[in-house]
Amino acid sequence: DQQVKQNSPSLSVQEGRISILNCDYTNSMFDYFLWYKKYPAEGPTFLISISSIKDKNEDGRFTVFLNKSAKHLSLHIVPSQPGDSAVYFCAATDTGRRALTFGSGTRLQVQP
Amino acid sequence: GAGVSQSPSNKVTEKGKDVELRCDPISGHTALYWYRQSLGQGLEFLIYFQGNSAPDKSGLPSDRFSAERTGGSVSTLTIQRTQQEDSAVYLCASSLISGGLGEQFFGPGTRLTVL
Repeated sequence: DQQVKQNSPSLSVQEGRISILNCDYTNSMFDYFLWYKKYPAEGPTFLISISSIKDKNEDGRFTVFLNKSAKHLSLHIVPSQPGDSAVYFCAATDTGRRALTFGSGTRLQVQP
Repeated sequence: GAGVSQSPSNKVTEKGKDVELRCDPISGHTALYWYRQSLGQGLEFLIYFQGNSAPDKSGLPSDRFSAERTGGSVSTLTIQRTQQEDSAVYLCASSLISGGLGEQFFGPGTRLTVL
């Protein structure tokens, strides 16, 4: 049973446009959410996070939105750049446990 | 600065053999995690060490899997009597936890292939 789902395996956008990556979760105990970016042959790198007490967190070109009632979060990248092309993983945890539960990832390709 | 390192980067083994995978976390990080990523899947949690506390082993898929963390630093993940379904990239992460959740820093992984 997948507790964190990324239903879009891939996404292609034009440089300069907005990229929107989506993630759904089922476990109502999750209270902390993270996005990681992964390049081939490298480990994932942390991008941005959000606590369940917030509904938005922004860091430069990256914004994460959390809709607790829908158990849905999204990552917005604007403007998208070719260097953003990577696999993006959504992850969730509850602060009592700390181990992360990951989605299966979305491969983003930003076309120049 | 040194990040999380893992060795070997690649390991090919025959079914039934034992393998050991090593992780060197970032110096001073008290928490260490092992995950694995099978082909086309997300990262699957295996085990978590935090300081001197008993490890959270809830993600280990079978008793063929075990892990140690010696001296609060280096960790070894051991898979006994490997099976083909153990083939995956095994990722180690560490974090500095000081009250709240710490960002996890990942190593490059060990790609394990069981023939």
